[in-house]
Amino acid sequence: DVKVTQSSRYLVKRTGEKVFLECVQDMDHENMFWYRQDPGLGLRLIYFSYDVKMKEKGDIPEGYSVSREKKERFSLILESASTNQTSMYLCASSPNWARYEQYFGPGTRLTVT
Amino acid sequence: AQSVTQLGSHVSVSEGALVLLRCNYSSSVPPYLFWYVQYPNQGLQLLLKYTSAATLVKGINGFEAEFKKSETSFHLTKPSAHMSDAAEYFCAVSGQTSYDKVIFGPGTSLSVIP
Repeated sequence: DVKVTQSSRYLVKRTGEKVFLECVQDMDHENMFWYRQDPGLGLRLIYFSYDVKMKEKGDIPEGYSVSREKKERFSLILESASTNQTSMYLCASSPNWARYEQYFGPGTRLTVT
Repeated sequence: AQSVTQLGSHVSVSEGALVLLRCNYSSSVPPYLFWYVQYPNQGLQLLLKYTSAATLVKGINGFEAEFKKSETSFHLTKPSAHMSDAAEYFCAVSGQTSYDKVIFGPGTSLSVIP
């Protein structure tokens, strides 16, 4: 079975801190994604990557950056956390073909105080 | 540009009743369509997908969906709701290439009343 793991289920950080969210997949997928999920807004794409060291902005990249140094690992970085970044963050991966579904991690619920 | 709408942000059904969750999409190319389910405090998991084979797609947990091109719809159904079906359901659409972003609908929260 495909497994996508995220480094933390729950995280509490202070405003202004630099925050790292890690995601690892074990199925050699080319594509990896970071979403944030907020009530009433569904899933919004922050960044995605279709290859090592490649990244593309999604719909809401402001305030975030990403890193993909290895194929299995995709990191989301909040350079200076703000309270409006309090959210559920979901990582996903998929093979490099549109007909394939995305496989999601369990999510990280981040609270910025 | 592709888009997805889900009619009804919240749906309640009685246990044993029919479940119908609506999804309409817009796409300039033949789409791939997906339904995902999210249980509380978990990530999303695939229920079923349409990839241009049979128009009636069967998924896990007794769910199925029918692709209707003329109506640009991909509604999700289950003949008899179970308490364990209470969850958030997301419809998603993607284009034909691996560089097409997957567009998720806003989600429908399903409650099952005993």
